[in-house]
Parts: sequence; C-alpha cells; structure tokens
Amino acid sequence: EAGVAQSPRYKIIEKRQSVAFWCNPISGHATLYWYQQILGQGPKLLIQFQNNGVVDDSQLPKDRFSAERLKGVDSTLKIQPAKLEDSAVYLCASSPEGDSYEQYFGPGTRLTVT
Amino acid sequence: DQQVKQNSPSLSVQEGRISILNCDYTNSMFDYFLWYKKYPAEGPTFLISISSIKDKNEDGRFTVFLNKSAKHLSLHIVPSQPGDSAVYFCAAISYAGGTSYGKLTFGQGTILTVHP
Repeated sequence: EAGVAQSPRYKIIEKRQSVAFWCNPISGHATLYWYQQILGQGPKLLIQFQNNGVVDDSQLPKDRFSAERLKGVDSTLKIQPAKLEDSAVYLCASSPEGDSYEQYFGPGTRLTVT
Repeated sequence: DQQVKQNSPSLSVQEGRISILNCDYTNSMFDYFLWYKKYPAEGPTFLISISSIKDKNEDGRFTVFLNKSAKHLSLHIVPSQPGDSAVYFCAAISYAGGTSYGKLTFGQGTILTVHP
C-alpha cells in the first residue's frame, strides 16, 4: 500500500513570495490533515478535511494560508505572502473515516523563508 | 496553551537498557493517548496508543502507562535498540467536545539516542 505522498520535499523562498505544497493521501482515506511543525515543537494542526469539506481550520492563518481538497482526494496548501516565521516542515496526514486518532503521515515539505 | 508537554528534550540510553519517555497533559477531556516515532526526513509514524479507560497497553518491546489522576503517561522501551533512536512525540485526542474535539494535540517531542 502506497503511503502519503508530498511534494516538493524542500523549498526555499524569499519573504513575501508565495509557495504551494501538494499532498496525495493513502487511497480510500476520507480524512486529510495539514500540520505545521516548527523546529523544536510538535506538529500543529492547520486544517482538517473530511472528503472535500473542511472540518477544522481554527488554527489556519487565513490571511495568508489557504488549502483546498478538490474531488476529495489530493490537496494543496498555499502560503501567500510568506513570512520568516513560516519556516517549518509542513506535514500532510490521512486517516480512514472513523479512525482519526491513527493518522498516517507523509515525509513533509521543509520550507525555508529567507 | 500547551495541553500536552514533554519536558525532557532528549534522553540517552545504553543498548539493552530500558528507555522511559514521559508526557504530561492538562486537558482532562482527552480520550486517547498516542506515541509517534519520527526519523529524520520522514513523517511521524504511529507506535502505540492507550485509551483513557485503561492504565497499560503493551506491544512487544513497547509499553505505555497512563496515570489519569496525575495526568501523566509514559512510554517504556525494553530492551532499547540503536534502531530506536528517533524523536518520540506524545499526542492526545478528545471526542468530548470543546476546542480539542477530534484533533490530535502533540507534545514537543523527546530525542531518544540509544548507544551501542
């Protein structure tokens, strides 16, 4: 079974530029999550999708971050414009419907904002 | 508001000995507690979990203990192996409502190093 795929793996941009990350969850997983992991901290949930609907985006900085999950499969997370404090690893995870406590994570995208 | 805390940033253990990783939480509404393991350049992988109605769960070399009155859980690895060297995250989830409902809340992580 293929795992959660993410791209790119690394990205370096200057502040005020925009960036987009892509995630393809495990086939058949209804729930998709985007996390931000700042160095030295645990992952923090940014947004959770159930199929193509948003379940929780309470910690998503909506003035600069946006995410979509068209057709209820893969998803993109965008930052526009980026700030220095957005430097982090962005993790995508998925879980089967009804099993949200056991999430399967992708390898992450390491973003550096200079 | 740090609801899940891992106060030890790192732990160093000799191969064959026991590793004990600790985690404290403040939200009494958490229903499940989980441990995730993370290698460099990889995403976290699920290791073991425990329901709030239990006080112990064992899976091979890994045992998680839950002390609800103290709001404390620990992960024991016996015997420790060099391949166990990784970052270990404690996480918790609540299905009882409130701002934590259905959301995994992670601790800061503990770097475990097992020396041969």
